[in-house]
Amino acid sequence: GNSVTQMEGPVTLSEEAFLTINCTYTATGYPSLFWYVQYPGEGLQLLLKATKADDKGSNKGFEATYRKETTSFHLEKGSVQVSDSAVYFCALYSGAGSYQLTFGKGTKLSVIP
Amino acid sequence: NAGVTQTPKFQVLKTGQSMTLQCAQDMNHNSMYWYRQDPGMGLRLIYYSASEGTTDKGEVPNGYNVSRLNKREFSLRLESAAPSQTSVYFCASTGTSGYNEQFFGPGTRLTVL
Repeated sequence: GNSVTQMEGPVTLSEEAFLTINCTYTATGYPSLFWYVQYPGEGLQLLLKATKADDKGSNKGFEATYRKETTSFHLEKGSVQVSDSAVYFCALYSGAGSYQLTFGKGTKLSVIP
Repeated sequence: NAGVTQTPKFQVLKTGQSMTLQCAQDMNHNSMYWYRQDPGMGLRLIYYSASEGTTDKGEVPNGYNVSRLNKREFSLRLESAAPSQTSVYFCASTGTSGYNEQFFGPGTRLTVL
């Protein structure tokens, strides 16, 4: 079946540091890939997505590239801010009649001034 | 445009009590979902409704029932609450983009004593 593995946290960074959160997946076919963000006390919000191999999703300074050869979708940001402190979830959608998203377990990021 | 709304935001129940969690979306989406979020477990799908008039079990349906009341509303019922159902519950919906980009509500934090 489908699965998503993302690096365990928590991750603590100083403001303006470089961020990478690793995500790898197992799926049949050509899934769509997502990063969601959850700020404290809130629901999940879509951060970015990529729907085919070599696509780069980007939003709010975050980027992730769909790498089919390594089955990865790592999240990066060049300079994090305190306001980026949140839990980040990698997810995939395999299509083919399925209605389910498969989520990773989440990575908590804390950015300190 | 409120997106996905959920009521209540917080609830405390005693073991054996029943309750219904309400969810509504105003985006004219066809599909709706109920998830639970537990520490270290990510999000797990309880039930989903691919379209009005249909419901299907997800990964963890035991102890829950759902009703797709109309296109806008999708409720989750706990008939006899158990401490293992203490969790944060999220409702989500998705349109017809083909990529299953899901929009989430703010969540209901449920404690069962």
